[in-house]
Amino acid sequence: EVQLVESGGGLVQPGGSLRLSCAASGFTFTNYWMSWVRQAPGKGLEWVANIGQDGSDRNYVDSVKGRFTIFRDNAKKSLYLQMNSLRAEDTAVYYCARHGPATKSQSFDPWGQGTLVTVSS
Amino acid sequence: QSALTQPASVSGSPGQSITISCAGTSSDVGGYNYVSWYQQYPGKAPKLMIYDVSDRPSGVSNRFSGSKSGNTASLTISGLQAEDEADYYCNSYTSSSTPYVFGTGTKVTVL
Repeated sequence: EVQLVESGGGLVQPGGSLRLSCAASGFTFTNYWMSWVRQAPGKGLEWVANIGQDGSDRNYVDSVKGRFTIFRDNAKKSLYLQMNSLRAEDTAVYYCARHGPATKSQSFDPWGQGTLVTVSS
Repeated sequence: QSALTQPASVSGSPGQSITISCAGTSSDVGGYNYVSWYQQYPGKAPKLMIYDVSDRPSGVSNRFSGSKSGNTASLTISGLQAEDEADYYCNSYTSSSTPYVFGTGTKVTVL
């Protein structure tokens, strides 16, 4: 069974840092692009960042460029999101998602259960 | 990059068909056949329902279908069932610096 499990969310003060993790299982991790997508409380979905199979290609939404870094450890089948200089508007549930269903897909399937990040003093 | 425009809500009676629109531009919906649709229940993760405009992943009911005309994509749910009551989001690949954009979301209510 294909599975993605996020961890690392929590309460952090404005200006602080947090690292999210996503553990993948049930598929060949190195064959797929991976993305982070977030959803602020009561709001819609927002794509945040993605990374290519070997980690050399990365893209970000403009609002997090220079503050967030996406990276992966293929040996550990894990995806990460390092979030620095956090702002109140970064408060959201963060989802890890595989690009799928095919390896070259521009859609997201499946998704993890999400991890909540709250930025507040 | 602005969000794609969806109606805030759509409703229908059991057995009816409903259609959710997703309006974009020639830089996203109109420029690529990379429109996807997601179903989300409250407190749950989104689930892929349609990809590449009109393809259905394995396991998704054939009551769900997708299409595109110009800069607007559509998701149609046929034979509406109570379990279809959820939020639906479209997504498109874009030519902007942000490669993906989601729609504003549509709440589907089964009357």
